[in-house]
Parts: sequence; C-alpha cells; structure tokens
Amino acid sequence: DAKTTQPPSMDCAEGRAANLPCNHSTISGNEYVYWYRQIHSQGPQYIIHGLKNNETNEMASLIITEDRKSSTLILPHATLRDTAVYYCIVLNTGGFKTIFGAGTRLFVKA
Amino acid sequence: NAGVMQNPRHLVRRRGQEARLRCSPMKGHSHVYWYRQLPEEGLKFMVYLQKENIIDESGMPKERFSAEFPKEGPSILRIQQVVRGDSAAYFCASSLQENIQYFGAGTRLSVL
Repeated sequence: DAKTTQPPSMDCAEGRAANLPCNHSTISGNEYVYWYRQIHSQGPQYIIHGLKNNETNEMASLIITEDRKSSTLILPHATLRDTAVYYCIVLNTGGFKTIFGAGTRLFVKA
Repeated sequence: NAGVMQNPRHLVRRRGQEARLRCSPMKGHSHVYWYRQLPEEGLKFMVYLQKENIIDESGMPKERFSAEFPKEGPSILRIQQVVRGDSAAYFCASSLQENIQYFGAGTRLSVL
C-alpha cells in the first residue's frame, strides 16, 4: 500500500472550512483513499473514502486530484467537536491492514 | 443499531497476570481486526480474523498474545503474563467485507 504524507498540525476557526491535505504520490490504480479521525481517547471514526471521483457525505467532502497523487478532506463548517487527529490512508481493493501514520492534528478554535 | 462493543473499557492487571479483552462486532459483520495504540503513538495493526479463522496475524507479538473469533460469541484478545510494556489502548474494529472498518471505544490496559 502506498505511503501518505500529511502536515503534523493545522488550526481552523470555528465555522470556517477546514481543508486537510494529503500526499500519496505512489498510489496505484486500484488503491482507494480513506480518511478516518480519532477524537481524543476514542476509537477511530470512518469519515469518507474515494477512488478517483470527488465524494461528499454528511460529514465531509473528499477532493482527489486528477493524477490521484494528492487529496484534500474538507470539513465545510468546522466545530469545536471536530478537533481530532485526521488520518489519510491508502488501501488496496480488498485490503484490510489499515496503516495509521501520524496524521494531522486539527485544532478548531472559537 | 449497536456499534462495535468492547469490554472492559478499563482493565488493570499486575505483572504476570492474564488479560482478556472482548470485542463484539457490529451486527452482520464477520470481519474483526485488533489494533494497539501505545501512549502518544498511532494505531498499529495486530491481527485480522474472520469467524473461526485467523487471516493475518503479522502484527501480533510472537509470544504471550493470541486472538480468536469463535463461531458463537465475541472475539477475544488474550495476553498472557502481562508486562508493563503491554500497557496501551487496544481497539477492535469490524467490517462487512474488507473495506470500511468501524471501531469500538477501546480497552485501556494498565499493567502495574
């Protein structure tokens, strides 16, 4: 599975959009991009995933570049409860060994 | 619609004792995964099980650790003769197929 690179931390003002970048330049054609988050002391929570098209659900939007070498997770209106570590993970079809890197620690400030 | 249930939430053991951690997957899920998270570190994959089968245990320490997922009942992660270095949060996840994993709240093991 391809490796990912994320900034270690980011700040965001409450009510504004949080844009979390992820680089996965070695991604292969059958690998999906998954995003999870872990709020302090809780279990990781699935957010969204995609292959090559942009995706949106009730939690977030996922924008994947045309060459698939990077993606951005967008939380449209961040709240204080969105403060968490966000993990970008690349996983093969049928893959299960989810490799959690260091992630991005997002601080949402009032 | 219950999520992944782990118990106990907190477990205290003395060195040399056994720790048994339980995980009940989401209804309908037959794939279970165990991860360990040491303080201030990321989650590390330990083992992947389907009913009555260990599919991948490449992340499990070779000694003292074992896991099972019987036909009936929860998945069990068993740590024999615990040492202080086993102190960590242990998370279980389940999935319908090998895709989106849903995590439990974890068991925090403290070894005195």
